[in-house]
Amino acid sequence: DSGVTQTPKHLITATGQRVTLRCSPRSGDLSVYWYQQSLDQGLQFLIQYYNGEERAKGNILERFSAQQFPDLHSELNLSSLELGDSALYFCASSVGGAQGNNPEAFFGQGTRLTVV
Amino acid sequence: AQSVTQLGSHVSVSEGALVLLRCNYSSSVPPYLFWYVQYPNQGLQLLLKYTTGATLVKGINGFEAEFKKSETSFHLTKPSAHMSDAAEYFCAVCRPGNFNKFYFGSGTKLNVKP
Repeated sequence: DSGVTQTPKHLITATGQRVTLRCSPRSGDLSVYWYQQSLDQGLQFLIQYYNGEERAKGNILERFSAQQFPDLHSELNLSSLELGDSALYFCASSVGGAQGNNPEAFFGQGTRLTVV
Repeated sequence: AQSVTQLGSHVSVSEGALVLLRCNYSSSVPPYLFWYVQYPNQGLQLLLKYTTGATLVKGINGFEAEFKKSETSFHLTKPSAHMSDAAEYFCAVCRPGNFNKFYFGSGTKLNVKP
């Protein structure tokens, strides 16, 4: 158990809909990362938050957004869903920080999103 | 900028044979390096990491990796493959002091034949 909790584990929704994926990081971790894993694209970095602020952005579509709340949990919002958005979405957390101390990232079990 | 290249999206070995998964990185500063393993329908799990110190790093399940700065490589090895090693392996790099942004390679799927 990595200590990172993602809910829900599975999600099936229709095209055009909006969903919210939730991530609770490990206790004490300030950085949260979101990744998308699909068969054709592999593991793609979406976005990173550190202590509530966006720190890095990857290949995240404009239809997707994320935020990190004061209690450090994070949500990834996916809207106007398309069939191609079907994928595993992973959240990871690390201690983070400017000094890069203890840089290990711990991954959750992922949310499998199926868009039909 | 940092990047990671994993040579070979699929590697197949026989049970008991040497496992060698290749990873090369580019980084403007000496990075932190990681190998993660992903079993089917599971999240990524840390196998081993290099931050500073000894360049040969031992991880879980008998895996080890060596940081070679001159070759910008961090190849993963295991002397004798087990059937249970069949999984996807990801190499990752993180630049110290960069709020721990991780860059992952495209992954290598390891198949172990009986």
